[in-house]
Amino acid sequence: QAQLVESGGGVVQPGRSLRLSCAASGFTFENYAMHWVRQAPGKGLEWVALIAYDGSPKYYADSVKGRFTISRDNSKNTLYLRMNSLRPEDTALYYCAKDQAVTTAGNYLDSWGQGTVVTVSS
Amino acid sequence: DIQMTQTPSSVSASVGDRVTITCRASQRIADWLAWYQQKPGKAPKFLIYAASRLHGGVPSRFSGSASGTEYTLTISSLQPEDFATYFCQQAYSLPPTFGQGTKVDIK
Repeated sequence: QAQLVESGGGVVQPGRSLRLSCAASGFTFENYAMHWVRQAPGKGLEWVALIAYDGSPKYYADSVKGRFTISRDNSKNTLYLRMNSLRPEDTALYYCAKDQAVTTAGNYLDSWGQGTVVTVSS
Repeated sequence: DIQMTQTPSSVSASVGDRVTITCRASQRIADWLAWYQQKPGKAPKFLIYAASRLHGGVPSRFSGSASGTEYTLTISSLQPEDFATYFCQQAYSLPPTFGQGTKVDIK
């Protein structure tokens, strides 16, 4: 059974950076595309980024393109999200999620972590 | 981007009731549609994919159907553990987009 544990969230000032991590276990991490999805307080779900099983290609929501970078280390079973130039509107609970499909991205998210909170405020 | 319009935004129901939630896509998504359940303070849980296929371990009282660009999640007999918020999501094209959510609460 897949387990995903996010970390790295916190309170950060606008314009600063933060790196989130997601430790994966219970499945063959290197075989699956991975996603980041966020949820602002009291709001719905917003997809943020996708990385293929082998690290390329990568895709981003327009709202984060050029500021956020998704990456992975398959030797460490870990997914990352580097967030630069943070804005107040980036405040949210950030989830990592596993794609359902093997070695491709079907964009169905069949396992989710519990999330890590990012607050951007001066 | 494909827009997903989910209705209603909330529904009050009793245990044993039949509940129906609808999602309409702004364009053809060829049944690339998922449903998720989210309880307060918890991560979303994957319920249904390809519009009507139940993910492993999901009770059979949950079902999904499709008609053109309109997709429906039905809970045939609401159970206490089903009170939650439900989201649809299109997986047809990037970026994946979600409906606004439907909160199912106790009448």
